[in-house]
Amino acid sequence: EVQLVQSGGGLVQPGGSLRLSCAASGFTFSTYWMHWVRQVPGKGLMWVSRINSDGRSAVYADSVKGRFTVSRDNAKNTLYLQMNSLRVEDTAVYYCARVTIVEDYWGQGTLVTVSS
Amino acid sequence: DIVMTQSPDSLAVSLGERAAINCKSSQSLLHTSNDKNYLAWFQHKPGQPPKLLIYWAFTRASGVPDRFSGSGSGTDFTLTISSLQAEDVAVYYCQQYFSSPQTFGQGTKLEIK
Repeated sequence: EVQLVQSGGGLVQPGGSLRLSCAASGFTFSTYWMHWVRQVPGKGLMWVSRINSDGRSAVYADSVKGRFTVSRDNAKNTLYLQMNSLRVEDTAVYYCARVTIVEDYWGQGTLVTVSS
Repeated sequence: DIVMTQSPDSLAVSLGERAAINCKSSQSLLHTSNDKNYLAWFQHKPGQPPKLLIYWAFTRASGVPDRFSGSGSGTDFTLTISSLQAEDVAVYYCQQYFSSPQTFGQGTKLEIK
């Protein structure tokens, strides 16, 4: 069974940093591109970032470029999102996801709250 | 970036009736190399992660009931629920995967009338 288990959310002050983790199991993690998607409370979904299977290529939404870094450890079957210089508007539920064209698996979501 | 615009923002439909949600992209999502539209539809219920319903604009994902259907090509697309069930209450999003970043529409909230 494919599982994506997220950890690392919480409350952080503006300008602070946080790292989200997403532990994968039930599939060959190293062969799949992975994504981060977020939902601001009461707002819509926003795609944040994706990383290719070997971790050498990543793409970011303009609003997080230069502040967020996606990475992966294929030996540990884990995806990461390092978030720096956090802003109030980054407050959201963050989802990791294995989304191919024909199927999707998602983590449970983790709330990141940026507030003073 | 490709901008995705959905209409309406919210929709109330009676049980058993038809619901239709529209999605317009700022540029064509039809790839001429394979004649496929790079457009997906997702369903998102409160407290749950999103769920893929439709890909290639009209192909149902595994396990999706056949009351859900997708149509359209190029820049204009529609998600139709033929006979609304109570469990279909959710926010629905279109998403393009023609180019990065893979952008979502703003969402359409579907409720029971």
